[in-house]
Amino acid sequence: GAGVSQSPSNKVTEKGKDVELRCDPISGHTALYWYRQRLGQGLEFLIYFQGNSAPDKSGLPSDRFSAERTGESVSTLTIQRTQQEDSAVYLCASSSLIPGLGGHEQYFGPGTRLTVT
Amino acid sequence: QKEVEQNSGPLSVPEGAIASLNCTYSDRVSQSFFWYRQYSGKSPELIMSIYSNGDKEDGRFTAQLNKASQYVSLLIRDSQPSDSATYLCAVKADSWGKLQFGAGTQVVVTP
Repeated sequence: GAGVSQSPSNKVTEKGKDVELRCDPISGHTALYWYRQRLGQGLEFLIYFQGNSAPDKSGLPSDRFSAERTGESVSTLTIQRTQQEDSAVYLCASSSLIPGLGGHEQYFGPGTRLTVT
Repeated sequence: QKEVEQNSGPLSVPEGAIASLNCTYSDRVSQSFFWYRQYSGKSPELIMSIYSNGDKEDGRFTAQLNKASQYVSLLIRDSQPSDSATYLCAVKADSWGKLQFGAGTQVVVTP
């Protein structure tokens, strides 16, 4: 079956512009997660969705970052007034939350590489 | 103190040998533990999950978990050049939430 998909794969934007990053989770996966990975660094958690609600937004770095999920499927991460420090790979993951069937396992998409010039 | 710690490496391993990777975590209530492999320029790929104390084997990979010592490890047997990658340890404290990642251990398998 299809895995997690993300678009665009690459995005170059000027400082101060807004960007939208999209994630399509594995079909039927209830949980969706956004992470960020700066060059040469580890993964930072941003936000987690269970269905369409976001129980954990603790990783969003500032109020310039927001995310939504509709129809328990696609999610969009929006960064307003981008700054150079926002340059990173933004990764989306999903999991099924089905107990006993690997529901805790998170599967990652290919990521969106964001470069802010 | 970082919540999930790994040696950054690089860990150089001769082809055919066993690579041993270690990870410690600080949150005693952690329930789920994962190893991901990340090739340069690619996204993380799940290779092992472990939830109970002891060993879990899958092909050439063995994960070991010791909750009392807050320690999880990964062994790669018969290492191949294609195993050269960064290996990320990830821990989930609650049932359904975020993963906390270590910084990763770079493994280099030399022919």
